[in-house]
Amino acid sequence: QVQLQESGPGLVMPSETLSLTCTVSGDSINTYYLNWIRQPAGKGLEWIGRIHTSGSTNYNPSLKSRVTMSVDTSKNQFSLKLSSVTAADTAVYYCAREQRIAPVGNGYYYYGMDVWGHGTTVTVSS
Amino acid sequence: DIQMTQSPSSLSASVGDRVTITCRASQSISSYLNWYQEKPGKAPNLLIYAASSLQSGVPSRFSGSGSGTDFTLTISGLQPEDFATYYCQQSYSAPRTFGQGTKVDVK
Repeated sequence: QVQLQESGPGLVMPSETLSLTCTVSGDSINTYYLNWIRQPAGKGLEWIGRIHTSGSTNYNPSLKSRVTMSVDTSKNQFSLKLSSVTAADTAVYYCAREQRIAPVGNGYYYYGMDVWGHGTTVTVSS
Repeated sequence: DIQMTQSPSSLSASVGDRVTITCRASQSISSYLNWYQEKPGKAPNLLIYAASSLQSGVPSRFSGSGSGTDFTLTISGLQPEDFATYYCQQSYSAPRTFGQGTKVDVK
C-alpha cells in the first residue's frame, strides 16, 4: 500500500522560500506524476503543479515564476520549493500521486490522483 | 487553461436523498473528468474517474455521467458519511484544474 507523507516547516517568513518534501513509502517510485495541491483555510483546492518520475514538470501558470519541483528516486522523495512567499501562500499543502488508471485507446490513458498525503499546514507570517 | 465550474456551491440534504452536482468545463474535455470527496481534516479521495467509472472501493450509490463539457455526480440514497465537499477535476490537459467545490450538508 503506497503512502505519501508531506514534511517541512510549518512557519515560513514572508519573502522567504517554502520548502516541502513528499516521501513515498510502501513501494519504489515508479512511473507516475507527483502533484502538489494546496488549500487555504475554508477554500477550495488549488493545483500548484506536478513532476513526472522522469523529471518533467508542469506548473500552474499563476505560480510558475516561483515554483520549483524535483525528484530524488534514491530517497523515494519529491520536493516543492515556492519562493518569495506572502500571507496568501498560507495553506494546507498536499502531495498526490497521479497515475494511469484506465486505457482510453490509441496509447492514451485516463489519469487520476489516487493516493494523497495527509497534508501539512504552512503558515506564512513574521 | 481549462476552467471548471461546479454548481451549486452548497446544498442541504437529508439521509436517503438523491443528490446531484454538476460540473461544466470551459472547453470540451471528452471524458477526462474526475470527482473527489473531501471530509474536514482529511485529504481528498478519488471517487470517479473517466467521468463515469467508479474507483475501487467506492460505494455504488455514487455515479457519474457526462462528456464534452457537462458532467454530473449523483449520490443515490445519501448516507451520513456522504456529508462532505465534492470537487471535479479535469485530467484532459495540464495545468490540471479543479472546480470550486460543492459542500453537501445536513438539511
